[in-house]
Amino acid sequence: GNSVTQMEGPVTLSEEAFLTINCTYTATGYPSLFWYVQYPGEGLQLLLKATKADDKGSNKGFEATYRKETTSFHLEKGSVQVSDSAVYFCALSFSIFGNEKLTFGTGTRLTIIP
Amino acid sequence: DAGITQSPRHKVTETGTPVTLRCHQTENHRYMYWYRQDPGHGLRLIHYSYGVKDTDKGEVSDGYSVSRSKTEDFLLTLESATSSQTSVYFCAISEPGGASTDTQYFGPGTRLTVL
Repeated sequence: GNSVTQMEGPVTLSEEAFLTINCTYTATGYPSLFWYVQYPGEGLQLLLKATKADDKGSNKGFEATYRKETTSFHLEKGSVQVSDSAVYFCALSFSIFGNEKLTFGTGTRLTIIP
Repeated sequence: DAGITQSPRHKVTETGTPVTLRCHQTENHRYMYWYRQDPGHGLRLIHYSYGVKDTDKGEVSDGYSVSRSKTEDFLLTLESATSSQTSVYFCAISEPGGASTDTQYFGPGTRLTVL
């Protein structure tokens, strides 16, 4: 079946540090890939997505590139801020006849220290 | 923000009692989903709906049932709550086709504690 493996947390960084959160997937075929973010006490929000190989998703200074050859979708940000503290989820989905079930990784908690 | 509300936002109940959680959307999206979030598991799909009266099981559906009698409402029922169903429950919606295809929008969550 489909699965997503992401970097175990928690991750603690200083403000302005470079961030990488690793995500790899196992799937038959070519899914769409997502990063969702969950701020404390809130639901999940879509951060970025990519729908085909070599696509780069970007938003709020975060980027991730869909790498078919390594089945990866690593999240990066050049300079993190305290406001980036949250839990980050990598996910994949297949749209088959409109069925868009998401498969999530376990989440990575990120804490940024001033 | 997508118009998704969940009620109640918090609930404490006792083992063996029935519980119903409600998800309400104002976006007229066709698909609706129920997930549970537990430490070390991320989010896992319980049930989903692809239209009024059309529902199907997800990966952790045992002990749960759902109903969708209107486009805007998706109900999750625990017929007889157990302590293993203590969790945070999220509703999500999506609409296939167009620029937002594949994207799910999430509600704020319901924290359920079963004593």
